[in-house]
Amino acid sequence: DTAVSQTPKYLVTQMGNDKSIKCEQNLGHDTMYWYKQDSKKFLKIMFSYNNKELIINETVPNRFSPKSPDKAHLNLHINSLELGDSAVYFCASSQEVGGSYNSPLHFGNGTRLTVT
Amino acid sequence: AQSVAQPEDQVNVAEGNPLTVKCTYSVSGNPYLFWYVQYPNRGLQFLLKYITGDNLVKGSYGFEAEFNKSQTSFHLKKPSALVSDSALYFCAVRFYFNKFYFGSGTKLNVKP
Repeated sequence: DTAVSQTPKYLVTQMGNDKSIKCEQNLGHDTMYWYKQDSKKFLKIMFSYNNKELIINETVPNRFSPKSPDKAHLNLHINSLELGDSAVYFCASSQEVGGSYNSPLHFGNGTRLTVT
Repeated sequence: AQSVAQPEDQVNVAEGNPLTVKCTYSVSGNPYLFWYVQYPNRGLQFLLKYITGDNLVKGSYGFEAEFNKSQTSFHLKKPSALVSDSALYFCAVRFYFNKFYFGSGTKLNVKP
């Protein structure tokens, strides 16, 4: 009955490879996000989708491409991985009712990406 | 510029004592303020939020937070700390669609 689930939990890969992280939420939320947490635990938003439409696209290298096939899923594909991509990537969701902007985020448990 | 600051990297408190984790913000307009907790190898968990109304907000696990508009602060508090409260705490502010800005986090250590 996990609310926001990400796979895989750990991802170890070499520079130059392409990898994907999947996220699914069963909360019925209409908005999903990808956040990156660096080694100093700083959290930075990368992307946000509302009803499958890209709403936020921060200054992220175009090697990162999100895809939302439906409201419940948001995947992240990363091309040509670099050492600096090593981090924990969190998926999150929220329900934005009437544009009130006060809904909390619900986070998955993260995917720890290590690029060697 | 919009920002959230958590001035303490770490807070140490003895079990049973009250705890405070500080947060200040700088945003234009009326912000929505949140506190989250992160345990090792886990995602962030929502604790409480301030939208409007009473300046003292109660949340999960006995935590509460006090909103102070004049000092632009939103400090997290708990009257009696537990060892199990030891974790990383994040303050966040949201002021328009979909954008949460997180503070840098404060590590809370509660010693027996």
